[in-house]
Amino acid sequence: DAGITQSPRHKVTETGTPVTLRCHQTENHRYMYWYRQDPGHGLRLIHYSYGVKDTDKGEVSDGYSVSRSKTEDFLLTLESATSSQTSVYFCAISELGRDSGNTIYFGEGSWLTVV
Amino acid sequence: DQQVKQNSPSLSVQEGRISILNCDYTNSMFDYFLWYKKYPAEGPTFLISISSIKDKNEDGRFTVFLNKSAKHLSLHIVPSQPGDSAVYFCAASATSGTYKYIFGTGTRLKVLA
Repeated sequence: DAGITQSPRHKVTETGTPVTLRCHQTENHRYMYWYRQDPGHGLRLIHYSYGVKDTDKGEVSDGYSVSRSKTEDFLLTLESATSSQTSVYFCAISELGRDSGNTIYFGEGSWLTVV
Repeated sequence: DQQVKQNSPSLSVQEGRISILNCDYTNSMFDYFLWYKKYPAEGPTFLISISSIKDKNEDGRFTVFLNKSAKHLSLHIVPSQPGDSAVYFCAASATSGTYKYIFGTGTRLKVLA
């Protein structure tokens, strides 16, 4: 299993409050991603990072921000949570030029409920 | 604009028979494709991948076929087993670009014993 830890694994929060999800990896992979999974939408890319302090938007980035101050940590922040952000959030990592090719590996998920 | 599409939300197959899951893409820059399997309450796990320089890749019971001209790929599972029951996602990336992985909406496979 890829060394990816997501925290918290489950969280219930109120509308309008800030929330930060953390992804920690022990693989020293360059690329890190945040996806959300919703019924009927599959896995949608929120933001990704291609190095320390290098991030870019994905398909559904509105309402989310990210930060990567260290190779091993990628934080996803909901500045003011809304009910539409109730979802399961997956962190993923990837490396290039390795024997594993361009495979992306996922964490176990963080279940967020905004009430 | 859905760049990766899985048009069948669900599929039921008898144990021992072949399961065929399909995926279409629209972006001609995609050159690397992957399939993932997901069980409830778990993260997606990697199954098999294929580069655009190939048209077929096999790994045990799993084979992925790529038809570049049709922008279509498929995953064949032979023989299907009850433990294969899960949601399957296809994904695509442009390796010369930003290394974003775009996923389809998933197909729920149910293998009947």
